[in-house]
Amino acid sequence: SAVISQKPSRDICQRGTSLTIQCQVDSQVTMMFWYRQQPGQSLTLIATANQGSEATYESGFVIDKFPISRPNLTFSTLTVSNMSPEDSSIYLCSVEVIRSNTFDEQYFGPGTRLTVT
Amino acid sequence: GQNIDQPTEMTATEGAIVQINCTYQTSGFNGLFWYQQHAGEAPTFLSYNVLDGLEEKGRFSSFLSRSKGYSYLLLKELQMKDSASYLCAVSYFNKFYFGSGTKLNVKP
Repeated sequence: SAVISQKPSRDICQRGTSLTIQCQVDSQVTMMFWYRQQPGQSLTLIATANQGSEATYESGFVIDKFPISRPNLTFSTLTVSNMSPEDSSIYLCSVEVIRSNTFDEQYFGPGTRLTVT
Repeated sequence: GQNIDQPTEMTATEGAIVQINCTYQTSGFNGLFWYQQHAGEAPTFLSYNVLDGLEEKGRFSSFLSRSKGYSYLLLKELQMKDSASYLCAVSYFNKFYFGSGTKLNVKP
C-alpha cells in the first residue's frame, strides 16, 4: 500500500489568488495523479504527473491554470491559479501501485478542501 | 470521450443485499474498479475486475461483462457503516476515469 499526505487539508482563499497543494507519498512511485471532486460529484482527473517530464493534462484543464511540479518520486504539487469561486472543490492526489502485469491500484490522499470567496 | 453511468442514489435495509450497477463506454479498457467513499474522506479500494465474471471478497462481490460494458457491485448483509458513495472507475493507459458515484443509504 501507499500512505499519502496532503497539505493544506483545507483553505479559504480570495478570488484572484493562487494556492499550491502539496502531496507526499511514503514510498517511491512512478505515476501520480491529481483529481478534482466538486460538491456532491465524482472525481475528475486533472492531470498525470510523472517525474522528469511535464504533466499530461486532461481535456478541459490547462497548465496555466493548474501548473504541476514533480521534482522527485515521492512528492508533487498542484497550483490552482487565479482562483474563482468555481474552483471551490476538493483536490485529491493519488498514486499508482502496480500489483501485477494486469493489476494496478490507485491510492488516494485525504484531499484538500478549497473554498474560494 | 468517457461515459460511465451509475444510479445517483439507492436505499436499502440493514441485513439486506443491494446491487449497484455501472455501465461504461470508454476509449480503452484495462480493468474496472469499485471504490467506497465515506463523506469527507478519500476513496478506498473495494474490488477489481479485468476478466468477465464474478470476483468475491467477503461481503462484497463485483461482476464484469466486457462485451456489454457492464459491471455491478453486490453488497451482502448490509451494515449501517456501508452507508457511503460507491464509485465505479475504468482504468486504461494507467489512468482512472470515474463514474458519478452512487450514494447508498442503509436504513435500520
